[in-house]
Amino acid sequence: DTGVSQDPRHKITKRGQNVTFRCDPISEHNRLYWYRQTLGQGPEFLTYFQNEAQLEKSRLLSDRFSAERPKGSFSTLEIQRTEQGDSAMYLCASSSAGGGSEAFFGQGTRLTVV
Amino acid sequence: AQRVTQPEKLLSVFKGAPVELKCNYSYSGSPELFWYVQYSRQRLQLLLRHISRESIKGFTADLNKGETSFHLKKPFAQEEDSAMYYCARMDSSYKLIFGSGTRLLVRP
Repeated sequence: DTGVSQDPRHKITKRGQNVTFRCDPISEHNRLYWYRQTLGQGPEFLTYFQNEAQLEKSRLLSDRFSAERPKGSFSTLEIQRTEQGDSAMYLCASSSAGGGSEAFFGQGTRLTVV
Repeated sequence: AQRVTQPEKLLSVFKGAPVELKCNYSYSGSPELFWYVQYSRQRLQLLLRHISRESIKGFTADLNKGETSFHLKKPFAQEEDSAMYYCARMDSSYKLIFGSGTRLLVRP
């Protein structure tokens, strides 16, 4: 499968624990995005990388959230001290350079904080 | 604030009926607009974009700058069109701003 892959697909964690998600983009794509989707809403932008540089972070991304893309390939999204409000689907997408390029989405990681 | 509005959470039609999924955006310039679709148990995928002016699976969408709308239309709905549909606008940093989505249910 040459699409965007995310791991794990599901994560259940206790409040206060740290979690880390991984995204492997399509290999030739230099842009990588993280979105969060809650029930009944469309995906909301969290952060964006071009190669290894994190170029933009949403105000939704509190200090407990951190994302990395160390070698410009895969990316990780870590949430520290999880809260119940963090429960959501976390989506990763990648695209090639150029305006209007199609963003390809992964299947997402569903996080449940209990 | 830059917004994409999809006023209908659910649209239910019978097979063979016309479909129009509404999308309005707030932006004064020339927007880049997309429709994404998510079929049951599948990932979000691009359906069409306004710059390509194409018809995909019988769907079309026309940008109306005067009404700031980008409604998705299909003359004859099929059961396999049942899915979640999201309208989205790409901003200057290439991120997508999504609407809240409309669930299309096509009944036999």
